[in-house]
Amino acid sequence: GAVVSQHPSWVICKSGTSVKIECRSLDFQATTMFWYRQFPKQSLMLMATSNEGSKATYEQGVEKDKFLINHASLTLSTLTVTSAHPEDSSFYICSAPFASASSYNEQFFGPGTRLTVL
Amino acid sequence: KQEVTQIPAALSVPEGENLVLNCSFTDSAIYNLQWFRQDPGKGLTSLLLIQSSQREQTSGRLNASLDKSSGRSTLYIAASQPGDSATYLCALNTGGFKTIFGAGTRLFVKA
Repeated sequence: GAVVSQHPSWVICKSGTSVKIECRSLDFQATTMFWYRQFPKQSLMLMATSNEGSKATYEQGVEKDKFLINHASLTLSTLTVTSAHPEDSSFYICSAPFASASSYNEQFFGPGTRLTVL
Repeated sequence: KQEVTQIPAALSVPEGENLVLNCSFTDSAIYNLQWFRQDPGKGLTSLLLIQSSQREQTSGRLNASLDKSSGRSTLYIAASQPGDSATYLCALNTGGFKTIFGAGTRLFVKA
């Protein structure tokens, strides 16, 4: 199956700093990627859709100036949490759809990045 | 608006039991449905994907069914093992690649 990686796997930062999280499709190209966040013991909530070569589409209630998304190539999307605060501490997961011979548009997920803001 | 509900929220069973996890959704216009496993603090592992035109998929001890008309999917786990302990998430793709997740069922299999 297709592989999606994320870097870093975890990060601890001070309040007010910015943190960049990378999402890569390792063996396929992804014109679209998705970013989710997950609070403890809760499900994944879609934050935004990352589109290669164009602006990201944000879900209602997600601040686009707070969570900057760049999809500069067909294999890389980045999420930058700007001026991070403790309430931004969460588990961030990206995904990319991949069409194989047997399953069309199956979503493959990265391993996630745990962000802790002190 | 599509809503996904998973029941039960948590489940504890002795090793060896067969069990069923339930997922219901409000809008039958889905593209496909995936079942994922998530271990604590980890990412998602795809278990099974059922296309809209399919009724079920099987992989090893896992069997997932889909009934769009009733808005339900079930994940059947045969002969459960302690290693099956995890959170199981049901996710719907409603087209346009957007995926909507249920809240998950936390499974604990006792040795």
